[in-house]
Amino acid sequence: DVQLVESGGGLVKPGGSLRLSCATSGFTFSTYTMHWVRQAPGRGLEWVSSISSSSSYIYYTDSVKGRFTISRDSAKNVFYLQMNTLRVEDTAVYLCARGPDGYNPIDNWGQGTLVTVSS
Amino acid sequence: DIVMTQSPDFLAVSLGERATINCKSSQSVLYTSTNKNYLAWYQQKPGQPPKLLISWASIRESGVPDRFSGSGSGAIFTLTISSLQAEDVALYYCQQYYSNPFTFGPGTKVDI
Repeated sequence: DVQLVESGGGLVKPGGSLRLSCATSGFTFSTYTMHWVRQAPGRGLEWVSSISSSSSYIYYTDSVKGRFTISRDSAKNVFYLQMNTLRVEDTAVYLCARGPDGYNPIDNWGQGTLVTVSS
Repeated sequence: DIVMTQSPDFLAVSLGERATINCKSSQSVLYTSTNKNYLAWYQQKPGQPPKLLISWASIRESGVPDRFSGSGSGAIFTLTISSLQAEDVALYYCQQYYSNPFTFGPGTKVDI
């Protein structure tokens, strides 16, 4: 079975940093694009970032450009989201997800990890 | 960025009745060289991650009941639940994957 398990969430002050991890299993990690999607409390889904299987294609939503960095480690089947200069509006459940490389839908999701940015 | 809108925000439907959710994109998500619409529908139940229901605007994922159907092309799409069941109470989102960022619609809450 495909499994995606996030970790690294928590409470952080504005301006602080966190690194989220997503451990994967049950599929060939090196052939999939991996995504981070967030959901603020009581709100809808917001796509945050993606990284292609070879790490050649990396994309971010405008509101996190220059602050967040996505990366992957194919030897460990894990990918990451380094979040710097966090803002109150970054508070959300962050879900990791996968999709086939290229322009394809997200087909599997993790349960999410909560990031709370508050003083 | 492609902006996705959905209507209605909230939909109350009797058991066994039809539910229809609309999704519009600010530009066409039909890629003419493949003749495919890069549009997906997801279902999210409380406390759960989203689940992919339909891809390419109308292709049901394996295991998704056939009461769920997707239609539309270009920039206007519809998700139909032909006979609402209690387990269909959820939020429904459309998403375009035609161009980055892969934007989602704001969601439609379906209730009994």
